[in-house]
Amino acid sequence: DAGVTQSPTHLIKTRGQHVTLRCSPISGHKSVSWYQQVLGQGPQFIFQYYEKEERGRGNFPDRFSARQFPNYSSELNVNALLLGDSALYLCASSLEEGRAEAFFGQGTRLTVV
Amino acid sequence: DAKTTQPPSMDCAEGRAANLPCNHSTISGNEYVYWYRQIHSQGPQYIIHGLKNNETNEMASLIITEDRKSSTLILPHATLRDTAVYYCIVRPPPGGGADGLTFGKGTHLIIQP
Repeated sequence: DAGVTQSPTHLIKTRGQHVTLRCSPISGHKSVSWYQQVLGQGPQFIFQYYEKEERGRGNFPDRFSARQFPNYSSELNVNALLLGDSALYLCASSLEEGRAEAFFGQGTRLTVV
Repeated sequence: DAKTTQPPSMDCAEGRAANLPCNHSTISGNEYVYWYRQIHSQGPQYIIHGLKNNETNEMASLIITEDRKSSTLILPHATLRDTAVYYCIVRPPPGGGADGLTFGKGTHLIIQP
């Protein structure tokens, strides 16, 4: 079985640009969460989606948005990129909402220059 | 979610048991203890979770003290591939929260050959 897949694996953007990151959950998993991990820190929760609805949001500015599609895949969008948005962005899927046995993808390494 | 405290780093000899402690003195009666690990350049990996009884699976054992204020993750026969950052997380029961996992800085476990 394929695990959680994220694309692209690496990305370089310029300050002020917009970026879209994509995630495909494990087959049968309906919940997708996004995390940001800056160097030397643990992952920080950004969003959780379940059945195409936002169910949870972390302490991130409105420049960050996401959505979940009918096939349960998800996109994370970040507008007006700042240098501080440089990080590893992780997607995690789980069977149901609220389950902490989450399966993480390899992440997308975003560098903002 | 309750706060957890872990040592920043630990060493263990290959083939020996690695015992990783975690303090969670403010844990609530219905909160679970979860452990994840993150091998360099990969997404976090779920290891094990428990409420109040000791738990064991193919990866590790989880020992939770009777007062539930601390726990220990045990890797019975550590290998070099177990070198990773280990995160202890306290969470409401499944279905009890949609605010993602709260990762601290974890314990960097280094397995020495």
